[in-house]
Amino acid sequence: GEDVEQSLFLSVREGDSSVINCTYTDSSSTYLYWYKQEPGAGLQLLTYIFSNMDMKQDQRLTVLLNKKDKHLSLRIADTQTGDSAIYFCAESKDTGRRALTFGSGTRLQVQP
Amino acid sequence: GAGVSQSPSNKVTEKGKDVELRCDPISGHTALYWYRQSLGQGLEFLIYFQGNSAPDKSGLPSDRFSAERTGGSVSTLTIQRTQQEDSAVYLCASSWGTSGGPQETQYFGPGTRLLVL
Repeated sequence: GEDVEQSLFLSVREGDSSVINCTYTDSSSTYLYWYKQEPGAGLQLLTYIFSNMDMKQDQRLTVLLNKKDKHLSLRIADTQTGDSAIYFCAESKDTGRRALTFGSGTRLQVQP
Repeated sequence: GAGVSQSPSNKVTEKGKDVELRCDPISGHTALYWYRQSLGQGLEFLIYFQGNSAPDKSGLPSDRFSAERTGGSVSTLTIQRTQQEDSAVYLCASSWGTSGGPQETQYFGPGTRLLVL
C-alpha cells in the first residue's frame, strides 16, 4: 500500500477554513512537510514539522500532527482564491536515506 | 542563483532518442535530488547526490536512466532510448545536505516537462 495517503480533492468557499489531511504508515518518519504546487509551477515548500511536535502555526497555516494515529493535517485560515493549488504532504526519515516520500496530492479548489 | 533552476523547461523528443536534463541547485547546497512526477504515479524519487557521489540510486526505473554531478553543483539526468512511458515532469531539488534537521529541507526547481512521441 501507499506510504503516504491524501484525499484527492477539496472544495471550499473563499473566506472559509480549509483542512487537508494526510496519513502515513512509517512510524520512523522524522520530518513531515507540506508543499504547494500551482498549475505549471514547481513545488513550493509551505511548512514542515518535526515528529516530536504536535502543532506548528505560521500565519494562516496551522499544522497538526497526531503521531499515535500517524495523521497530519494542514489548516488554511481565511482561504483565498490564490490558495487554489495541489497540496502535497511528504515525509522523510533521519536514517541516511534523504528521499522524500510524497502523498498523491490534494487539489484544493477555492470558490469565490 | 536564488533558487533551483532547470533546463530545458520543456522537451519533446521521439521514441528511441536520448535526452539530457540539467539542474542547477541553490548555491552552497551539497545535496541534490531528482524526482519524477507522472500521471497516475505521483511524485517518485529517482536519485540523491551528496556532493558528486550518489549514495542512493534506488529510484532509477531502469538502466536507461543515469545521472551525474560535477563540481558539487550542476547535475545532468540522462535518459537513453526514451520510451513513451518516460513522459513526465522531472523535478530537481537541493538542500544544505547536513545531517538531518531543517537543513535537509528540500527546495524544488520548476521542473522539465518531457514528452516522448
